[in-house]
Amino acid sequence: AQSVTQLDSQVPVFEEAPVELRCNYSSSVSVYLFWYVQYPNQGLQLLLKYLSGSTLVKGINGFEAEFNKSQTSFHLRKPSVHISDTAEYFCAVTEANTGGFKTIFGAGTRLFVKA
Amino acid sequence: DTGVSQDPRHKITKRGQNVTFRCDPISEHNRLYWYRQTLGQGPEFLTYFQNEAQLEKSRLLSDRFSAERPKGSFSTLEIQRTEQGDSAMYLCASSRLLAGDATGELFFGEGSRLTVL
Repeated sequence: AQSVTQLDSQVPVFEEAPVELRCNYSSSVSVYLFWYVQYPNQGLQLLLKYLSGSTLVKGINGFEAEFNKSQTSFHLRKPSVHISDTAEYFCAVTEANTGGFKTIFGAGTRLFVKA
Repeated sequence: DTGVSQDPRHKITKRGQNVTFRCDPISEHNRLYWYRQTLGQGPEFLTYFQNEAQLEKSRLLSDRFSAERPKGSFSTLEIQRTEQGDSAMYLCASSRLLAGDATGELFFGEGSRLTVL
């Protein structure tokens, strides 16, 4: 079974500052990793995903994440945040090659960007 | 390409009543998932369908919860005899599973928020 831990429940940051949202996972099998974003009163949308290959993956809205197998981490980063990045961010894991069956989500990190 | 749509977006009901939510997935997606999300938590998996077959339902929260996808297109999630603890956002997602395309990316609807008084 897989599990996901998001290490920070809330991250306040000033506009144009860099940010890192931390995610650790555990699994006994190969996994795919995802970051989703949820804006207020909306569903989740995919920011980026790691399937295989390069450990640095780039997503939408200037976000990127780095897969670290030895540390079982998949931290999300953005070099300069905007007010519009204020949202809830979810790290998720699914067993590789199963097509997303029973994707497991972390509890979320609320990013709050201040002017 | 329309996205995943859910109906209703909001439902307020009294304890003991039955409620039903509908989800229309992206048309070419053969997998459909139901998740529950409570305040401050990530989505919690409930059940999923591949075409019309319900392949996993052990995570449905109790026997008051049931889901159907009768023709492999839209799906319904029914909660019978609602309780205050059922108040949550119910999210539907869909994905495509084809040979060579099993990335597991989920496409979510905007959710149906249930409030049980």
